[in-house]
Amino acid sequence: EAQVTQNPRYLITVTGKKLTVTCSQNMNHEYMSWYRQDPGLGLRQIYYSMNVEVTDKGDVPEGYKVSRKEKRNFPLILESPSPNQTSLYFCASSFAGIRYEQYFGPGTRLTVT
Amino acid sequence: QQQVKQSPQSLIVQKGGISIINCAYENTAFDYFPWYQQFPGKGPALLIAIRPDVSEKKEGRFTISFNKSAKQFSLHIMDSQPGDSATYFCAASIRTGANNLFFGTGTRLTVIP
Repeated sequence: EAQVTQNPRYLITVTGKKLTVTCSQNMNHEYMSWYRQDPGLGLRQIYYSMNVEVTDKGDVPEGYKVSRKEKRNFPLILESPSPNQTSLYFCASSFAGIRYEQYFGPGTRLTVT
Repeated sequence: QQQVKQSPQSLIVQKGGISIINCAYENTAFDYFPWYQQFPGKGPALLIAIRPDVSEKKEGRFTISFNKSAKQFSLHIMDSQPGDSATYFCAASIRTGANNLFFGTGTRLTVIP
């Protein structure tokens, strides 16, 4: 089954404790992206990757890091989480030439206390 | 700065009625306008998309109307059903460049039986 998977689905952590949210896709997509979803703000892009070893900032990159060492994986790293990073996070992927059609993972709900 | 403005924030419609969600944009470089549907606990999924050289696109009960001169587009759901209850996001895409899918703030649709 073609899909984007994320882990964990739910995470409660404390301020300053480094965490990683994993994302993997099995559709051989070149393009991958991370979004956060907050009430009233819609989906905002954090980081994206055009292909392996090619990443760039989206609209709200502060406090996040990413890496793309393999085509299928695109982990999101919060090195020192803060309460304002409490949010619902989505990973998405698409073919490079059809980026309006993105496939989203099921989401990771993160709470930072 | 919100690149795509969406309204209303929430919408309640009777079963069988027509649901209408509106979006507006400013950037004339946008070249694809997708709509995404998100059910509770799930990631958004592409519902329907339109190019700016087309004024209307219909897929089943879902229709996008596009007004290029006004820089507005809308989603119409005909014969709305309780199963249509979800959050709908309009978006705008730029084929060139990388950070290229901009979402509206979302509309929570509730269809009452």
